[in-house]
Amino acid sequence: GAGVSQTPSNKVTEKGKYVELRCDPISGHTALYWYRQSLGQGPEFLIYFQGTGAADDSGLPNDRFFAVRPEGSVSTLKIQRTERGDSAVYLCASSSGQGLANEQFFGPGTRLTVL
Amino acid sequence: AQKITQTQPGMFVQEKEAVTLDCTYDTSDPSYGLFWYKQPSSGEMIFLIYQGSYDQQNATEGRYSLNFQKARKSANLVISASQLGDSAMYFCAMREPSTGGFKTIFGAGTRLFVKA
Repeated sequence: GAGVSQTPSNKVTEKGKYVELRCDPISGHTALYWYRQSLGQGPEFLIYFQGTGAADDSGLPNDRFFAVRPEGSVSTLKIQRTERGDSAVYLCASSSGQGLANEQFFGPGTRLTVL
Repeated sequence: AQKITQTQPGMFVQEKEAVTLDCTYDTSDPSYGLFWYKQPSSGEMIFLIYQGSYDQQNATEGRYSLNFQKARKSANLVISASQLGDSAMYFCAMREPSTGGFKTIFGAGTRLFVKA
């Protein structure tokens, strides 16, 4: 079956613009995670969903960042008034459950560049 | 405070030799999980191995083993018989309870170079 997919693979935008990043999890996976990976760093947790609801959004850096998962499958990460510091690779992952041992399957990421 | 610490920004190993990548973690929760991921230059995150905090034995997966020292809060990855394809970034991660479930925190990573 298909893995986690993310679109677009690359996004270049100008400072101040609005962007949406999409994540398609593995079919049937109830948990979905967003991470941000800056150059030379490990992934940084942003938010995770269990079903349609955001179970933990404590990693969102500020109110310019918002994510939704209206039907419990596809998720969209939305960034308003982008800043140059938002430039990073945004990774999405999904898992079949929310247990400690549940493996997260990662997508290829969206590379966001804010000029 | 850093929850996951990987002190080796870069490591070199000769092909066919073993290498240990260090990871220490910090948590006050008795229930947690430890993961290692590989990230090649192509960017995808590949799951390698998992160790639960209550597991009595060290986890092994093929050429990968996790040296779990609970009292020292360390979870080092050992790669045996290194191959050229092992050259990549390696991330240690910890999953611990958080609001509504669990949260995974990653270390800064170690870049491994395998020499022919």
